[in-house]
Amino acid sequence: SAVISQKPSRDICQRGTSLTIQCQVDSQVTMMFWYRQQPGQSLTLIATANQGSEATYESGFVIDKFPISRPNLTFSTLTVSNLSPEDSSIYLCHTRSTDTQYFGPGTRLTVL
Amino acid sequence: GENVEQHPSTLSVQEGDSAVIKCTYSDSASNYFPWYKQELGKRPQLIIDIRSNVGEKKDQRIAVTLNKTAKHFSLHITETQPEDSAVYFCAAGVGGSYIPTFGRGTSLIVHP
Repeated sequence: SAVISQKPSRDICQRGTSLTIQCQVDSQVTMMFWYRQQPGQSLTLIATANQGSEATYESGFVIDKFPISRPNLTFSTLTVSNLSPEDSSIYLCHTRSTDTQYFGPGTRLTVL
Repeated sequence: GENVEQHPSTLSVQEGDSAVIKCTYSDSASNYFPWYKQELGKRPQLIIDIRSNVGEKKDQRIAVTLNKTAKHFSLHITETQPEDSAVYFCAAGVGGSYIPTFGRGTSLIVHP
């Protein structure tokens, strides 16, 4: 199975600042997604990270707030900008290839 | 867009009993239906999936059934064990590029 890591695993940030989350996979994957999961809630798709081009955002999520990079088939970053307490959540990357799919371990963000 | 409803939100069973979780979806174009298990504090993991050309799929104690006409699918767990206790999410999406929409989750509690 693929090994997926996320950095940082958790962080506490001040409002108005930004946090960049990294997702690293040990093998090339076709698709990478970023999700948000608030405590006790379901998973909400933020965007699809496209290699070498702009991410595709879901309704309610915009590039200025959640810029995403995907420079190659094994790595992506999600930045959560201009943080507010409402951004406190767990952020997970999700990778998918033809026959497999995995979630990263998640990044727990707390905004004070 | 797709809308996935999941019931019940909480399910409590005795060890050895069966558990059934049901989901309905709205988009008739959806043809891929995965189920994920998320243990407390851990990442979601794919446990079984079914495609619309199949009505039922089984993997040891877990089975999934799909009724495309009625647009609903169900997860069946037999001979439940305490380690089955977790939150289970259903999802629906269109295969190929497949962007899943998740249900709200079912918290399964198996009492020893």
